[in-house]
Amino acid sequence: SQTIHQWPATLVQPVGSPLSLECTVEGTSNPNLYWYRQAAGRGLQLLFYSIGIDQISSEVPQNLSASRPQDRQFILSSKKLLLSDSGFYLCAWSVGQPYYGYTFGSGTRLTVV
Amino acid sequence: AQTVTQSQPEMSVQEAETVTLSCTYDTSESDYYLFWYKQPPSRQMILVIRQEAYKQQNATENRFSVNFQKAAKSFSLKISDSQLGDAAMYFCAYREGGSEKLVFGKGMKLTVNP
Repeated sequence: SQTIHQWPATLVQPVGSPLSLECTVEGTSNPNLYWYRQAAGRGLQLLFYSIGIDQISSEVPQNLSASRPQDRQFILSSKKLLLSDSGFYLCAWSVGQPYYGYTFGSGTRLTVV
Repeated sequence: AQTVTQSQPEMSVQEAETVTLSCTYDTSESDYYLFWYKQPPSRQMILVIRQEAYKQQNATENRFSVNFQKAAKSFSLKISDSQLGDAAMYFCAYREGGSEKLVFGKGMKLTVNP
């Protein structure tokens, strides 16, 4: 069966520090991968999506970046975190038909202090 | 751009009662899919129910059903026999047939009172 792993679950980082959040998918090949951010009291904002290795589309200009070094690995990074980067980050995957929607990871709560 | 609107930020329902969550969307496309996701306090996003735009029949999943009004661009979720475990944030979402992206509404917080 397909599973998605996302870590860490919680992270507290100082302003200006780097960030690396990782997401891996098991049990499927060539998934579409997504990073969403959910700020407090708001909906989900799509940050990046990838349809294949090294194929990244950015939806929102910001100091975050994403990479997909392997088929089932998706990494969200920042060189220098801002206070406004705080939020709940969700990784998701989908395959094939749009009917199936997305499957989400358990999320990472990032607090920038 | 496609937009999804959930106009009610919060609702409450008594246990065992029925509640309807509203959602409207804006699109000029004919091929699309609609979803309701649930986000309990654990923050895990869980797919509740989905609907293909080309299907006239409303989707149902046990106690969950939708009222899909394509002409009105409305996609409401009905929860019957509400349970305490239904308390969560509920998000309506839209995906165009040829798109990789899922567009979410801002969500609605459902409280279930015992």
